[in-house]
Amino acid sequence: AQTVTQSQPEMSVQEAETVTLSCTYDTSESDYYLFWYKQPPSRQMILVIRQEAYKQQNATENRFSVNFQKAAKSFSLKISDSQLGDAAMYFCAYRVINTGTASKLTFGTGTRLQVTL
Amino acid sequence: NAGVTQTPKFQVLKTGQSMTLQCAQDMNHEYMSWYRQDPGMGLRLIHYSVGAGITDQGEVPNGYNVSRSTTEDFPLRLLSAAPSQTSVYFCASSPRQGRYGYTFGSGTRLTVV
Repeated sequence: AQTVTQSQPEMSVQEAETVTLSCTYDTSESDYYLFWYKQPPSRQMILVIRQEAYKQQNATENRFSVNFQKAAKSFSLKISDSQLGDAAMYFCAYRVINTGTASKLTFGTGTRLQVTL
Repeated sequence: NAGVTQTPKFQVLKTGQSMTLQCAQDMNHEYMSWYRQDPGMGLRLIHYSVGAGITDQGEVPNGYNVSRSTTEDFPLRLLSAAPSQTSVYFCASSPRQGRYGYTFGSGTRLTVV
C-alpha cells in the first residue's frame, strides 16, 4: 500500500523568508503524480502545485517550488518570500497513473505552517 | 461554474440518527470520492467512484454507504451515527486523467452527540 509521510507537524517562518516542508512517500509504482494542497482556516482544499514522476524537472508555481527526488521518494515544498496568507495546513498527496487505481488520492497527515511578522 | 457543491456545511446529529451528505459536481468528472479529516490523521478515503453505477470502499468505509446513479451526484449516507463519526467530511471530484488532481468541496463539519 502507498503511504505518504509528513514528519513536521508544525513549522514557522518569518514573513519574506523561505521555508521548506518535507514529504516522503512509499510506493512500488514507477509512474505517479504528487501534489501539495493548502488548507487555510476557511477549510477549503486548494491545489498548490503538482509534479509528474516521469518529469525530471522540478515543478514551479510563482513562489512555490518543489524538490522532487524520485530515488529517495522525497517531495518537498519550498515557499519563497513567505506571506501572511501562506499560513495554513499543507498536505502532500500521491496518485498513481495506472487507470485501475488512479481514482485514489493518498494524503499525508499535514504540516501546519505559521507565518510571523 | 460551481465546481463541487457540498451540503450541509454544518450538522449536529444524535447518536443513532441517519443522514445523507449531499455532493454534486458540474464538471463532468468521472471520479468522485469522499474523505474524512480528523486532527493529526490527514484526509482518509471513505468511498470512491470511477463512474455512474460503480463504487468501491476506501480506507475507512464502515458505517457509511454511497451510491452513484448519475455522473454529477455522489451522496454519502451515515446509517446510524456514532460519536466516532464526528469529523469534517470532504467530497472531491477529478477527471480520469490523474495529473489534474482532485477538486474539493468546501466540507461538512459533522458533530455526533
